[in-house]
This record gives sequence, C-alpha cells and structure tokens, in this order.
Amino acid sequence: DGGITQSPKYLFRKEGQNVTLSCEQNLNHDAMYWYRQDPGQGLRLIYYSQIVNDFQKGDIAEGYSVSREKKESFPLTVTSAQKNPTAFYLCASATGGAVYEQYFGPGTRLTVT
Amino acid sequence: GNSVTQMEGPVTLSEEAFLTINCTYTATGYPSLFWYVQYPGEGLQLLLKATKADDKGSNKGFEATYRKETTSFHLEKGSVQVSDSAVYFCALFQGGSNYKLTFGKGTLLTVNP
Repeated sequence: DGGITQSPKYLFRKEGQNVTLSCEQNLNHDAMYWYRQDPGQGLRLIYYSQIVNDFQKGDIAEGYSVSREKKESFPLTVTSAQKNPTAFYLCASATGGAVYEQYFGPGTRLTVT
Repeated sequence: GNSVTQMEGPVTLSEEAFLTINCTYTATGYPSLFWYVQYPGEGLQLLLKATKADDKGSNKGFEATYRKETTSFHLEKGSVQVSDSAVYFCALFQGGSNYKLTFGKGTLLTVNP
C-alpha cells in the first residue's frame, strides 16, 4: 500500500537533546512538508521541499533542521534551540502537479521534559 | 498575506443534526479552497476541494461552495453521524505561494448518539 509513514508515534526526550523525526513516503511524490500542530493553533509550516537536495523554511523554522537526500525521505531534527518543542508533528507529501492535495502521515507526538 | 478564519469550536451536535462550519478567507486573486479532516490520533485527509468561484466540492455527504463575493467556503452536511466526530480544517492554496497551503485553526466537531 502506498502512503506516508512517520515513526515513532510517541517520542520522549530530555530538554537539551536533539531528536530526529522520521518521515518516509512511497507515493513517488516530489514535494514534502513538515507541520507542527498545537492545540487551538491549527497547523504551522516548519519546512518544505519541492525536490531532492532542496528545501525552504516555512513560517516557524527556527530551532529545526531538515535534509532531503532521497525523494522518499524527509527527516526533521528538533534541536535544543527550539524553545517549545513539545507538540504533534505532521509530515505530508504531494505531487508536483497538485501540491495543494497533500497526503499526511499519522504524526509523531513529541514530549520534551 | 493569505489567511483563513474558521468558526471556533467545539461544535457539539446530536446524530442526524445539520452541520455548518463557517470558513472565510483573505487572499489576492483566485485561490483554490479545501476542507481537510483529522480523525482522533491521525493525520489530515483531504475531504473536498473547489478550485474556482461557484464550484461546489462534495464528498461523503459533505458539501462546500466557493463563494467569491463573500470570500467564504462553508462546510455543510445534512445529517451527521457519530463517525463524523473529528477536527475540520479549512485551507487555501494560491499559485505562486511557494507551494504552501494556508490552514485555518481547525474546528472540533463532536457528534453524540
């Protein structure tokens, strides 16, 4: 079955540690996205990538980093510089011809204490 | 810049009641409009879309009409079911916006039996 996988579903880290969230898709989509979801705030775009080896900052990129070495993969690193990292993180992908129709993964809930 | 405003929730209805979730937008030109749905513990799924004025998107009994004169895209369903309980997000996409969807904050719908 084609789709997007995010792992793990729940992640716990101590403050001051970097943590990497995985996102893999087998839909052959060119574009991939990372969003952060907080209660009452909807979705906010962290980073996006339209093609391999290229990515752009979204609206809240500070404290995050990404890479796009393969078409299928778009990992997100939450660094210790991110002041409020506890959140629900969603990865999405879309075809180049219909980037508004984004397919979302199930999400990773990160808790930093 | 672009923005999407949804009615604040939560919205609580009894099964078979009529549903309206209001959505208005601010954008220059002619954006495409979408409703996404997020079931508990999952990522978002595209529910319906409309790409030009007066288009009606529909899916699973839900409908929304793109009204340019009122810059609105209200979601409606004639008879809700318990299984419709979810968070609903209105979103817009505008060509030239660097492949970004702009989301509203989401509206939580709870349907009681």
